[in-house]
Amino acid sequence: DTEVTQTPKHLVMGMTNKKSLKCEQHMGHRAMYWYKQKAKKPPELMFVYSYEKLSINESVPSRFSPECPNSSLLNLHLHALQPEDSALYLCASRDPKKPDRLNTEAFFGQGTRLTVV
Amino acid sequence: AQKITQTQPGMFVQEKEAVTLDCTYDTSDPSYGLFWYKQPSSGEMIFLIYQGSYDQQNATEGRYSLNFQKARKSANLVISASQLGDSAMYFCAMRGRTSGANNLFFGTGTRLTVIP
Repeated sequence: DTEVTQTPKHLVMGMTNKKSLKCEQHMGHRAMYWYKQKAKKPPELMFVYSYEKLSINESVPSRFSPECPNSSLLNLHLHALQPEDSALYLCASRDPKKPDRLNTEAFFGQGTRLTVV
Repeated sequence: AQKITQTQPGMFVQEKEAVTLDCTYDTSDPSYGLFWYKQPSSGEMIFLIYQGSYDQQNATEGRYSLNFQKARKSANLVISASQLGDSAMYFCAMRGRTSGANNLFFGTGTRLTVIP
């Protein structure tokens, strides 16, 4: 199983809603990532979890709240989003057997296309 | 600081022909890794090929090869025998040792269109 599964695939939410994005992998990867990708732009890193602990937060607004309940799951909780937060949200995982291993590729999910209205 | 530059917003190639997608980079890390990813319209980022900064040989994976010129800081992707399914966005990315081995920095991408 070399898949990273993201749900839902599409999400439309109002600015007052609370919703969550889910990411799951069963490859035993202990590094998991959230990226945000605007249309026609490259992915931008939001959060990194390493061994279930938040290791990087790229100054993301608090209306985005990540959670890593176990080594297979990564959630992104959304609250009071703005229309400019509409984007493709990509989850990725990697196997960092050594923390500084450079050559392990990240496996990405298909993403959640989020529209904030 | 790390920077990845892809100067070709869009490229066209005839089916069965070869195409080169350009990537230049800048980093102060003495050790780094370079990656190419393919992103079809479905959204998933698909890993294609990896080149380490200390690798002596250019990486190859099937129809993909990486033309790595370290002195020029370039890591161009060569796709041979293009197929219609190769039409997608292609991103060059880098991971550096001192700048955060957990992070991938992406270039702006090149949209490849394969013409029948």
